[in-house]
Amino acid sequence: GAGVSQSPRYKVTKRGQDVALRCDPISGHVSLYWYRQALGQGPEFLTYFNYEAQQDKSGLPNDRFSAERPEGSISTLTIQRTEQRDSAMYRCASSSTPWQVSVISNQPQHFGDGTRLSIL
Amino acid sequence: DAKTTQPPSMDCAEGRAANLPCNHSTISGNEYVYWYRQIHSQGPQYIIHGLKNNETNEMASLIITEDRKSSTLILPHATLRDTAVYYCIVRDFYNQGGKLIFGQGTELSVKP
Repeated sequence: GAGVSQSPRYKVTKRGQDVALRCDPISGHVSLYWYRQALGQGPEFLTYFNYEAQQDKSGLPNDRFSAERPEGSISTLTIQRTEQRDSAMYRCASSSTPWQVSVISNQPQHFGDGTRLSIL
Repeated sequence: DAKTTQPPSMDCAEGRAANLPCNHSTISGNEYVYWYRQIHSQGPQYIIHGLKNNETNEMASLIITEDRKSSTLILPHATLRDTAVYYCIVRDFYNQGGKLIFGQGTELSVKP
């Protein structure tokens, strides 16, 4: 079956522009997570959703970053007024159950291949 | 911050068992140990997780010490395709919610 799909795969834009990154989770997956990964580092948590509700946005670096999942399926991570330090791989993951149930039911997070964002 | 310590790199001969250690000396009673790996530029891949008992699945075995302050991930017969960065993660569902906090991981190189 289809995995987590992210688009675009690569995005190059000029500093100051807004960008929107899309994540299409595995069909039926309830929880959706956004991470950012710098070269040579492990992924860093940004935010996550159960259904359409944003449960935790503590990892968003500042108010230029926002995310939404209006219908509980596809999610969009938006970065406004991009800066060079925003350049990174942005990864999305989904899980079939809310995290509380995942503890018991052993449902891991499935990651997409990411969007490589480069700010010039 | 990650609550785990792992060696930055390890080598393993193809066909031999790869034993990847992880130290989590400050782990608390409701925290699970998770292992993920990341092959080249792909997204992280779940391997296994456990609370206090040893666990085994089709990919690997997880051995957790009795005091839970350390664990070892065992790949019983490593292949070249197991070359990856392996992340040991301590996950506190009650205080951290669903997020995974990745550290630096161990870069495993399986050599022919």
